[in-house]
This record gives sequence, C-alpha cells and structure tokens, in this order.
Amino acid sequence: AQSVTQPDIHITVSEGASLELRCNYSYGATPYLFWYVQSPGQGLQLLLKYFSGDTLVQGIKGFEAEFKRSQSSFNLRKPSVHWSDAAEYFCAVAAGYSSASKIIFGSGTRLSIRP
Amino acid sequence: DAGVTQSPTHLIKTRGQHVTLRCSPISGHKSVSWYQQVLGQGPQFIFQYYEKEERGRGNFPDRFSARQFPNYSSELNVNALLLGDSALYLCASSATQTRWGTDTQYFGPGTRLTVL
Repeated sequence: AQSVTQPDIHITVSEGASLELRCNYSYGATPYLFWYVQSPGQGLQLLLKYFSGDTLVQGIKGFEAEFKRSQSSFNLRKPSVHWSDAAEYFCAVAAGYSSASKIIFGSGTRLSIRP
Repeated sequence: DAGVTQSPTHLIKTRGQHVTLRCSPISGHKSVSWYQQVLGQGPQFIFQYYEKEERGRGNFPDRFSARQFPNYSSELNVNALLLGDSALYLCASSATQTRWGTDTQYFGPGTRLTVL
C-alpha cells in the first residue's frame, strides 16, 4: 500500500538558517510527489510537485525538493528561512487506482522559526 | 480568479445531528475531492467526484456521502455525527481527473466542524 512518512514531527531553525524537511514514500510504481504548506487555520498551498524529468524541483517561496528513487525520498529544502515560513509542511504522493486519483499525505512536520 | 471556496467556515453540531458542507471549485475545474484532517494529522481522502460522478471513495463509513452538481460545485454530507467527526474538512479541485493523479489539486481553506 502507498504511504508517506515524515519522520520529524517538529523542527525549529533560526531565521536565515538552511532547512531540510525529510519525506520517505512507499509506492510500487513511479510516484507523483508533492509538498504542501499549511498555515494555522488555513487550507493547503502547493509548494512544488514532481511528476517526471529533472529530479531537482523548484517551487514557490524559494523552496526546492530532490527526488531520490534509490532512497525513496523527496526531501524539501530552503537555503535561508524567513519567519513567515513557520507553518505545517506536508509531503504527499498521488495514488492512482481504478478510475480515481487521490493524494496520500504524511502526518506533517511543524516548522518553528527562532528569531 | 477566485480559488476554491468552502462554506461555512466554522460549524458546531451535537452528536447525532447531520451536517452539509459546501464547496465551489476553481472556475473551469471539473473535479472535486474531499479530505478530512483531524487535528495533528495529515488530510485523509474521503471522496472524489468528476463530471458529477463518484470516482473514488476512501475508508469512511456510509454516514459520509457527497454529490456534485451540474455547475461542478459539491456538497459533503455527514449523518449521525460522532465526536470523532470533529475535524477540518478540506475540498480540493482540479481541472481534470487523471488516473495517476497527475493533475494538481488546489485546496480551499476548509470548514472546521466541531461535534459536541
């Protein structure tokens, strides 16, 4: 069965420091992978997605993610975080079956920014 | 262009009642999906509708139902509410409905349901 694991529940980094959020997936075929961000009380905003091609994907707000098939990982990175990046981050995989498609989310990583 | 809109924003119900949540997709989008997000967890897939037909259902009881209208808006209905139904209910729309989920889903702000 498809699944997504985000091993870090909560991460705190200093403003201006680099960031890496970990994501591991389990999926039998070529995965379609996403990172979403959710601010408190808000819906989900798509940061970036990987379908195929270049394994380093650029997203909005200065984020990037790298797909590593050998490690079943899709880690999210940002070279320098801003206080406004504090939010919950969800890694997700698209799972196709029958005639439907759905997104399977990880449990999320809460990012706090230290001034 | 307006994004995905959901109503109401917040809702308080008591056990045993039923609730109807509404979603309007992005203009031109024909697919709507519903997700339940319990506090502290990632969203869980409930339903997907495309062209007014149910195309997928997650592992939720029959108390949960949905429908899609000719204008592609959608309603999620939950009967016989339980305390455990308290959650943020998210609606997502996409332009098409592809088998392998390659069409990006855009999420609304959600409806916060509290069951007392």
